[in-house]
Amino acid sequence: GQQVMQIPQYQHVQEGEDFTTYCNSSTTLSNIQWYKQRPGGHPVFLIQLVKSGEVKKQKRLTFQFGEAKKNSSLHITATQTTDVGTYFCAGYYNQGGKLIFGQGTELSVKP
Amino acid sequence: DGGITQSPKYLFRKEGQNVTLSCEQNLNHDAMYWYRQDPGQGLRLIYYSQIVNDFQKGDIAEGYSVSREKKESFPLTVTSAQKNPTAFYLCASRQADYGYTFGSGTRLTVV
Repeated sequence: GQQVMQIPQYQHVQEGEDFTTYCNSSTTLSNIQWYKQRPGGHPVFLIQLVKSGEVKKQKRLTFQFGEAKKNSSLHITATQTTDVGTYFCAGYYNQGGKLIFGQGTELSVKP
Repeated sequence: DGGITQSPKYLFRKEGQNVTLSCEQNLNHDAMYWYRQDPGQGLRLIYYSQIVNDFQKGDIAEGYSVSREKKESFPLTVTSAQKNPTAFYLCASRQADYGYTFGSGTRLTVV
């Protein structure tokens, strides 16, 4: 079935270091979305990527969508303690009209 | 302010009891979703509804039921048939071509 794999599951970094999380789907995605969930909170929508090879930036965050529309990445430059949380990718497939979430990457930042 | 309201925030269920989780939105979104989140895991889709009076099963619908009698409301009932209901339940809504808006969630515990 449709599945989105996300790695790594956990990432511990020193403040100021960079961070990257990767998502991969076995089948072509219609689009991919990224969410952030702070500890004890709920997921908050960050961005949606639709086009093959698309790259979008939000301040220190860079999002990429692969050429084949099967993979995506989120890169954070110079992490800060406010970046702490779990980052989820979620793939949208044309069939079924539902969003499939990856397992998430939990980021901890040591000051 | 527009948003999604979930209630209660915490809920305790006895063995063999049915409980209903409330989800109300004033965003005028057509589609609504229920997800379950277990510790350290991603979000798994229980049920979704793309229009009033219609809904579809997600990946883990067994032991749950929903209704969509009004556009604003999408309650979830956790029945006694759900053998492991302790989890964090998230309701979300979506307007076409954009990300999901999540409620703040309900933490259900079996006692």
